[in-house]
Amino acid sequence: ETAVFQTPNYHVTQVGNEVSFNCKQTLGHDTMYWYKQDSKKLLKIMFSYNNKQLIVNETVPRRFSPQSSDKAHLNLRIKSVEPEDSAVYLCASSYWPLYEQYFGPGTRLTVL
Amino acid sequence: EQQVQQSPASLVLQEAENAELQCSFSIFTNQVQWFYQRPGGRLVSLLYNPSGTKQSGRLTSTTVIKERRSSLHISSSQITDSGTYLCAMDRGSALGRLHFGAGTQLIVIP
Repeated sequence: ETAVFQTPNYHVTQVGNEVSFNCKQTLGHDTMYWYKQDSKKLLKIMFSYNNKQLIVNETVPRRFSPQSSDKAHLNLRIKSVEPEDSAVYLCASSYWPLYEQYFGPGTRLTVL
Repeated sequence: EQQVQQSPASLVLQEAENAELQCSFSIFTNQVQWFYQRPGGRLVSLLYNPSGTKQSGRLTSTTVIKERRSSLHISSSQITDSGTYLCAMDRGSALGRLHFGAGTQLIVIP
């Protein structure tokens, strides 16, 4: 059963463009996350966010920023994409602070 | 620094054999979760097991926090079990950010 939704499934763009990915969860969770899965399939946390706190992984470049309108939505914006941003971006949600996380299907970004 | 180590990196089984996947952590954790992923597929949560033993169908996970390790046992493997199994832990920081191992690639053959 799909409960974490991501759009688009795929996105191809050129270096320097701005892109935005959407994530919505219908599980009633209060915390959402963005992860990056690179070409070697390694997963790394980028952001975690609830209505009180945003935690940014220190390795995430400043051109990445999360945007939330409410606890069910957490979008990801990339201001000026670079080739190394090509990856699959996964959104997840959970109850805070120590509960099972559920993942969306991912958005595959290709930067030409 | 790889804080989550998984072994073996890959495993080939004949159908109906059992599999034992291992995960170890370099630092203390209080949240352990096992996932499954097919190539190009969604990350599916298998078991959330911060401590002790938990079972779901043919899957059994045992986590020993003091020893900083967790295992996933797959009994009576099926061809459809083929894929990548990922272990993830939280470093004990706020907001439960998971740190993943590199995964074990399982191939089940007839």
